[in-house]
Order: sequence, then structure tokens, then C-alpha cells
Amino acid sequence: QQQVKQSPQSLIVQKGGISIINCAYENTAFDYFPWYQQFPGKGPALLIAIRPDVSEKKEGRFTISFNKSAKQFSLHIMDSQPGDSATYFCAAHQGGSEKLVFGKGMKLTVNP
Amino acid sequence: KAGVTQTPRYLIKTRGQQVTLSCSPISGHRSVSWYQQTPGQGLQFLFEYFSETQRNKGNFPGRFSGRQFSNSRSEMNVSTLELGDSALYLCASKFGPGKGTEAFFGQGTRLTVV
Repeated sequence: QQQVKQSPQSLIVQKGGISIINCAYENTAFDYFPWYQQFPGKGPALLIAIRPDVSEKKEGRFTISFNKSAKQFSLHIMDSQPGDSATYFCAAHQGGSEKLVFGKGMKLTVNP
Repeated sequence: KAGVTQTPRYLIKTRGQQVTLSCSPISGHRSVSWYQQTPGQGLQFLFEYFSETQRNKGNFPGRFSGRQFSNSRSEMNVSTLELGDSALYLCASKFGPGKGTEAFFGQGTRLTVV
């Protein structure tokens, strides 16, 4: 049972474009939603995170939008750069534990 | 400040053997979690240790086990290896329990079972 559904699986954008990744969840016990970026041969690195009582959070070119009633959240990457080419994972923290439940990931390719 | 260190980086083992992977968390971090990453299943939680105690366990068979030492270093062990255990095993460290504290991942140990 996949508790966090992520889409699309892959995305190709041109330099300067906007990349959008969507995630949906069912478990209302999730209480913290981080996004991770992973380059080949590296471990995931935290990009940005949001709590469910906040509808939007922006850090530089990265923005998370959160819709608690719809149980959906998304990552927007503005002015995408070739260096952003990586795999992006949304995750959800399960309250009462240290468990992170990850989406399947999205491979982003930014063409120069 | 040194990051999360996992050793070894690469391992090749034969079916039926056992393997031990090591994780040194960031200095001062006391919570260590382990994840398995495969192309098919993605990132899946194995278990989490805090102050030498296993606090949470994922849905993996008993062949997967772990422990944490008093210096917060952690090891995970997989016994009777199967081909399906081939994966990238990732360790993540946190300062302590709680939803707001960031989890830092190591580069992982790539295990290949032949």
C-alpha cells in the first residue's frame, strides 16, 4: 500500500521553466512533509519542508503548496536550472514515530 | 561539521551470506534511521534507534536487524541474504525525536547480492 503518491514519474523542462511535482496522501496521522533532492550516487538531501497548518512555504526558487483538506501538496521549482536535474522525493512524517514515508520519486531533467 | 558516514560504500555478497553495514551519525545526533532504496519499491523505512533503543520498525522480515551503540553509531545486519536484498541502504541521523528536526542522509551502502 503506497501511502504517499507522487506524480509525475519524470519531467523534462527547459532552463528557466517551472517544474511542478505533486503528492497526495491518505493518512491523517502525517504531521510534517519534507521534500528531498537526490543526485546519482548521493543520499537524499532535504530541500524544504512544511507543516500541515501552513498553506505555503517559499525558500528561494522552491515553493511548497499544501492543501490539508485535499490531502495534497506540491513542489514548485521556479526558474529551473540544469543543476536542478535530479530525483525529487516527497515524504511524510508519521506522527509518534521517526518514520518517513516517501513517494516513489520524480526524475527531473532541465535542458540548457 | 562532518556529515553522516556510511561504510562500506559498496559490497558484493553471495546468497545465503550475512552482511553488516555501519553508520556514524553527525556529531551530537542521537537518532539514527535506516532505509532501503530500490528502483521498484523506492525508499522504505527499516528501523529507527534512539539512545541505543529501537523505537520503530518497518515491515521487513526478521533477517533485518540493527543496533545502536552508546556513541550513537549504528549497525544494521542482514542475515541469509537473498537476491532481492540488493539495494542502496541509507542511514539518516537526527538530533532527536520530533517532527521538526531535519533528517540528514548519508551516501548509502550499495549492496549487491549475487
